[in-house]
Amino acid sequence: LAKTTQPISMDSYEGQEVNITCSHNNIATNDYITWYQQFPSQGPRFIIQGYKTKVTNEVASLFIPADRKSSTLSLPRVSLSDTAVYYCLVGPNNAGNMLTFGGGTRLMVKP
Amino acid sequence: DTAVSQTPKYLVTQMGNDKSIKCEQNLGHDTMYWYKQDSKKFLKIMFSYNNKELIINETVPNRFSPKSPDKAHLNLHINSLELGDSAVYFCASSQDPGIYGYTFGSGTRLTVV
Repeated sequence: LAKTTQPISMDSYEGQEVNITCSHNNIATNDYITWYQQFPSQGPRFIIQGYKTKVTNEVASLFIPADRKSSTLSLPRVSLSDTAVYYCLVGPNNAGNMLTFGGGTRLMVKP
Repeated sequence: DTAVSQTPKYLVTQMGNDKSIKCEQNLGHDTMYWYKQDSKKFLKIMFSYNNKELIINETVPNRFSPKSPDKAHLNLHINSLELGDSAVYFCASSQDPGIYGYTFGSGTRLTVV
């Protein structure tokens, strides 16, 4: 499984756009990139997944460069409720795969 | 309606005891998992069951034994609890993780004293 590296923490203010970058230099050809969000005392929640270029949904955008060795989760106009830990995962796109979540990025949104 | 529910939410017990954590999902997913989250927030897969059959068994002590009576339930039994077992244990399920990812329960905080 490809190892991922993310910043340990980030601070932002309400209304700002937040970009969290994840490095995955040894990503394999069949690996997808998935991001999860975890609030205190809750399990992680799937946010977005992509393979290459750009993916956008109602929550976030995911930017993946051509070499796929990194990816950036973009949260538009964050609010206080976006304060959470964000995990980047890289792994095979099939049921039963083993995914170990790294330490994630702790995002603190301030008023 | 909670999609993936775990009980209990908190569990405090003494070393050497045996305890169980229950998990149920009402999503109709075929695959269920147990994850362990340590104090540094690393989430590590422990077990995975697909339609009641064990398909993933990571390097976990034999004291941990999962049981799946049907595909909607995956319970975790832990024998002879040790201090190092203190962590938050998450149950999860998936049908097509490539599209929808994994659905996690809210976790069970286990404290061994």
